[in-house]
Amino acid sequence: NAGVTQTPKFQVLKTGQSMTLQCAQDMNHEYMSWYRQDPGMGLRLIHYSVGAGITDQGEVPNGYNVSRSTTEDFPLRLLSAAPSQTSVYFCASGDRRYGYTFGSGTRLTVV
Amino acid sequence: GESVGLHLPTLSVQEGDNSIINCAYSNSASDYFIWYKQESGKGPQFIIDIRSNMDKRQGQRVTVLLNKTVKHLSLQIAATQPGDSAVYFCAENEAGNQFYFGTGTSLTVIP
Repeated sequence: NAGVTQTPKFQVLKTGQSMTLQCAQDMNHEYMSWYRQDPGMGLRLIHYSVGAGITDQGEVPNGYNVSRSTTEDFPLRLLSAAPSQTSVYFCASGDRRYGYTFGSGTRLTVV
Repeated sequence: GESVGLHLPTLSVQEGDNSIINCAYSNSASDYFIWYKQESGKGPQFIIDIRSNMDKRQGQRVTVLLNKTVKHLSLQIAATQPGDSAVYFCAENEAGNQFYFGTGTSLTVIP
């Protein structure tokens, strides 16, 4: 049981480049979410999904897109990377009954 | 978004002593709370949760206390060990699956 798997673990982008952060879970959770973590600011919710085909915005959605075509996968897309998006990104899945599991994170640097 | 804050950004304790980490939350409608532990370079790891119909919940060496009157949470770690050194986050949730995190408290255990 792999839990929540994030790829890549590290990425360096140039300003204006696009990329997709991958997140997959094998626990059949309906709820998945993306957070970014910056020094001194804790984790901030970017986007979340309550099931396949359903997504919604969190606290800091600007500059990011998501889709949920399957229960297992919840990719996060940066269409035009900016230095302000340098951060560590975490994906999580779970629910209120059983708690939430986080992936190991993707460290993104935009230069 | 929700406002979840921690009283102390850093805490140092001697090995074997008890640790207490505090957290204030602002949304009186929040009814589910989780404490997470995050070690360097890793994703947040679930420690313990509590629902608003409880005042106290105990786990292995950890206890969470909830005071709804003053909107305050605390995490108590008994007989703190070097492996407990990490950043601890509290997170609050109201009805849906979205969680909002505080900025974290860094716990250092002195051998």
